[in-house]
Amino acid sequence: EIVLTQSPGTLSLSPGERATLSCRASQSVSSSYLGWYQQKPGQAPRLLIYGASSRATGIPDRFSGSGSGTDFTLTISRLEPEDFAVYYCQQYGSSPYTFGQGTKLEIK
Amino acid sequence: EVQLVESGGGLVKPGGSLRLSCAASRFTFSSYSMNWVRQAPGKGLEWVSSISSSGSYIYYADSVKGRFTISRDNAKNSLYLQMNSLRAEDTAVYYCARDGLTGTKNWFDPWGQGTLVTVSS
Repeated sequence: EIVLTQSPGTLSLSPGERATLSCRASQSVSSSYLGWYQQKPGQAPRLLIYGASSRATGIPDRFSGSGSGTDFTLTISRLEPEDFAVYYCQQYGSSPYTFGQGTKLEIK
Repeated sequence: EVQLVESGGGLVKPGGSLRLSCAASRFTFSSYSMNWVRQAPGKGLEWVSSISSSGSYIYYADSVKGRFTISRDNAKNSLYLQMNSLRAEDTAVYYCARDGLTGTKNWFDPWGQGTLVTVSS
């Protein structure tokens, strides 16, 4: 089983700042089968990034993903008020399709 | 717009059973693999089970293997999760999610709104 570890657990930033979220895998994620999701309270998760770096339909270009192998990053270039939420990474290359424990992005 | 609507959640006693359904619309259901993901109250996301488009390939998390059964009816555009021998730790919101593309090894997109399962005496 591939274990995904996200850091930090909580990130406190102000609107307009840059956010960098990390996702580290316990073993290599094949062919960058890595996705990022955003979840707001009381809502279902929403896909942001797939294939480690491809933005999903309708996702603003301030969201970007990078990385390969065991280290992946989600970057939000300039935070908007609606970006404060919980973010999860997920590997879908091999079953079990594990999620990271999440990073909570909160307003400072 | 693709729509996924879960139903069947509720309160059940430990050891009991429940069957969740996910009604899909506005896409060719029979072409996509489907998934169940759950989220315990205040906790993160946990993948539960996946089924291929034809139903030929099925995968389960170790935590539910032998107790839960995923299935689908492509004629009815519906996905199911039969949950038996329920435990308190199965208490969660259960989400139905489609694979992002047809084929294998895809991200989950979109997701339904979820249905709450509470296991308690």
